[in-house]
Amino acid sequence: DTGVSQNPRHKITKRGQNVTFRCDPISEHNRLYWYRQTLGQGPEFLTYFQNEAQLEKSRLLSDRFSAERPKGSFSTLEIQRTEQGDSAMYLCASSPRRSNTEAFFGQGTRLTVV
Amino acid sequence: AQTVTQSQPEMSVQEAETVTLSCTYDTSESDYYLFWYKQPPSRQMILVIRQEAYKQQNATENRFSVNFQKAAKSFSLKISDSQLGDAAMYFCAFLYYNFGNEKLTFGTGTRLTIIP
Repeated sequence: DTGVSQNPRHKITKRGQNVTFRCDPISEHNRLYWYRQTLGQGPEFLTYFQNEAQLEKSRLLSDRFSAERPKGSFSTLEIQRTEQGDSAMYLCASSPRRSNTEAFFGQGTRLTVV
Repeated sequence: AQTVTQSQPEMSVQEAETVTLSCTYDTSESDYYLFWYKQPPSRQMILVIRQEAYKQQNATENRFSVNFQKAAKSFSLKISDSQLGDAAMYFCAFLYYNFGNEKLTFGTGTRLTIIP
């Protein structure tokens, strides 16, 4: 296992289309996080899973966004009816047990909505 | 709510010199964690250094060290003997650990350029 893997790396979609991103965390990491990073900004928290349970969701996560982590392994983030404001880098991170230890980030999925 | 402020959008340093990146934060909590993350161009974010708020001793990791001033809510990063590979965006981040609430709050970042 070489780290957190995110697919696709880049996604261009037309406004109004649905998109889905996938994150494969480091094996045995029970915590998984999604963040969104826009140009010139730091990452902003979207949602967090402990195993398969989604424990927290940001207000940034509108009803067009949904995230799942079936069986506590990989996670998917779906955006329905994409808008130009959804254009950003979507980062996934995972960590073992307590998150005062290091959070390991993936390379992100860059979404461009045209 | 916690906030993290990085007031230096860009910094540059001569190779082999020392540079300090600033970070301030605001919180009402007394027990928390602070981090500096490095994000090289087109590569994933990696942890540079971590500080637990209950520890008075400043963290160090090889050429990287922090100056943690809890009362002033300041957490600066010092990079000694700067190398070309240190060029990246640097993000300061805050974590108040509470079960079910484990999100990192990031600053806006400082872009560090190393001058050969």
